[in-house]
Amino acid sequence: KAGVTQTPRYLIKTRGQQVTLSCSPISGHRSVSWYQQTPGQGLQFLFEYFSETQRNKGNFPGRFSGRQFSNSRSEMNVSTLELGDSALYLCASSFDRGGQPQHFGDGTRLSIL
Amino acid sequence: GQQVMQIPQYQHVQEGEDFTTYCNSSTTLSNIQWYKQRPGGHPVFLIQLVKSGEVKKQKRLTFQFGEAKKNSSLHITATQTTDVGTYFCAGRTNAGKSTFGDGTTLTVKP
Repeated sequence: KAGVTQTPRYLIKTRGQQVTLSCSPISGHRSVSWYQQTPGQGLQFLFEYFSETQRNKGNFPGRFSGRQFSNSRSEMNVSTLELGDSALYLCASSFDRGGQPQHFGDGTRLSIL
Repeated sequence: GQQVMQIPQYQHVQEGEDFTTYCNSSTTLSNIQWYKQRPGGHPVFLIQLVKSGEVKKQKRLTFQFGEAKKNSSLHITATQTTDVGTYFCAGRTNAGKSTFGDGTTLTVKP
């Protein structure tokens, strides 16, 4: 069974640009969550999607958005990139909501110049 | 909003010594999960605790969930070099939102 796949693995952007990250969950998993990981801030919850609907949202500005497709694949978009957006973005999928174990992808390392 | 505090931030031990990391939530949790992230890797699920006062063991690892379902601990007996990494707790509320602690990074000196 394939794991969670995130693309691209690495990305370099400049301030003001926008970026879209992709996440393919484990087959059969319907819940997808996104996290931002930085050395100083740990793992910060961005949002959770289930059945194409955003179920929970973290404390991030509106520049961060996401969506989920009917096949459970998810994308995350960040507009007007800032230097502080440099981080590892992790996607995690679970079979269902309600406290199921989360399976993480390898992440997308985003660097803003 | 919900906060999950995890201590210590770093722990350096000699191989064979014990290790404990603690999590404390500002709100009552429906469950708590523990993850391990090796250097350069992604978090990997270890265990989930649901019941008040629950204790679970995995070989040398012992996980506890407090009676009030607001705190938890992970204890490793006789650490080995393979135990190195960052251990995270993640508390989930009834609203379904997961909040991760900042993690405890364990280094083990052979």
